[in-house]
Amino acid sequence: KAGVTQTPRYLIKTRGQQVTLSCSPISGHRSVSWYQQTPGQGLQFLFEYFSETQRNKGNFPGRFSGRQFSNSRSEMNVSTLELGDSALYLCASSLAGASDTGELFFGEGSRLTVL
Amino acid sequence: AQKVTQAQTEISVVEKEDVTLDCVYETRDTTYYLFWYKQPPSGELVFLIRRNSFDEQNEISGRYSWNFQKSTSSFNFTITASQVVDSAVYFCALRDNYGQNFVFGPGTRLSVLP
Repeated sequence: KAGVTQTPRYLIKTRGQQVTLSCSPISGHRSVSWYQQTPGQGLQFLFEYFSETQRNKGNFPGRFSGRQFSNSRSEMNVSTLELGDSALYLCASSLAGASDTGELFFGEGSRLTVL
Repeated sequence: AQKVTQAQTEISVVEKEDVTLDCVYETRDTTYYLFWYKQPPSGELVFLIRRNSFDEQNEISGRYSWNFQKSTSSFNFTITASQVVDSAVYFCALRDNYGQNFVFGPGTRLSVLP
């Protein structure tokens, strides 16, 4: 069965621009989580969506937002890009019920470079 | 608050050596779940193992083995007879019983030299 698909894989933006990243979860998975990975901060949780609702949110500024569609696909958006937003953005999906304690399945990530 | 510590930032070994990656966690929950993930250069985190807090049995899967010790809050990962393909960043992670928090450690970069 197809894994988690993220697009685009690589992108370059300039400061002040905005970017939208897309994630298609594994078929049947209803939860999508987003993580930011940088060399200095490691893996940091951005937010999680379940049934089109944001269920959990990490400690990131409001410039970072996301949404989930009825088919469980998710997008995240970063507005007014800063140099520090350069990172690998990873999407993960899981089956998710009311309390999902299973593993996360990750995509290959979208590598964003902000110049 | 939950926390995962991986004290080893980078490890280098020569092929065929055994290597152990350390993971220490902190949680107030009595029920929780521990994970190990491998991140090769391609970027995708690959799930290796999940262990719940009530199952302290060690597990072996091929060259991989895991030692879970609740008394010391550790969940260490050993690779036996390492191979170059094992070179990657390895992450230990902790998830609470409600599935609301999934906390990753900082990762250990393993380099296996031929």
